[in-house]
Amino acid sequence: DAKTTQPPSMDCAEGRAANLPCNHSTISGNEYVYWYRQIHSQGPQYIIHGLKNNETNEMASLIITEDRKSSTLILPHATLRDTAVYYCIDIQGAQKLVFGQGTRLTINP
Amino acid sequence: GAVVSQHPSWVICKSGTSVKIECRSLDFQATTMFWYRQFPKQSLMLMATSNEGSKATYEQGVEKDKFLINHASLTLSTLTVTSAHPEDSSFYICSAWGGTTLAGWNTGELFFGEGSRLTVL
Repeated sequence: DAKTTQPPSMDCAEGRAANLPCNHSTISGNEYVYWYRQIHSQGPQYIIHGLKNNETNEMASLIITEDRKSSTLILPHATLRDTAVYYCIDIQGAQKLVFGQGTRLTINP
Repeated sequence: GAVVSQHPSWVICKSGTSVKIECRSLDFQATTMFWYRQFPKQSLMLMATSNEGSKATYEQGVEKDKFLINHASLTLSTLTVTSAHPEDSSFYICSAWGGTTLAGWNTGELFFGEGSRLTVL
């Protein structure tokens, strides 16, 4: 079973920041937080991952709370192409990823 | 960046036939690959872990004789759906960790193929 919980759906206006929360209350000290997204009928796309520090790349920012029990993925300027299902996953090392239900993010014009 | 490629991207077959789906890591070696299945409007469900040179590890409830996995090289894993039936129609996705590439690169990223849509008539 997936170890993370996410809201099933969210809406965001185009051009605004989309903030997607994730709870991972059972995360262990050496597990990373990974975020992926899946656009309809495509394979999941890697977005970002982190251990305990906040991370930023060209796609998004990842904010991890100090106790690491929750994280937030931030898409700074959402576009219509960001409409997708977003998954956060806790994982240690090169192990299998177990997906939860994710958050269906809809970007509205 | 690393790429995982699947073939075919879509396939239609008759009930009772077998279908093979290939998963290749194009610019890195993958000792381990994962196979997922996804039904419409549902999340990805892990089917099995494919290990190069050894038997695959199947998740609970997945029939190993039904879904044959072969990982004969560091860049290729295949999933064969044997005696396919309409209920096997699904979106099959493979993935592999971006380990040390042939050029020595490692990002700790799990890459996914584009998926293969199987329709069994």
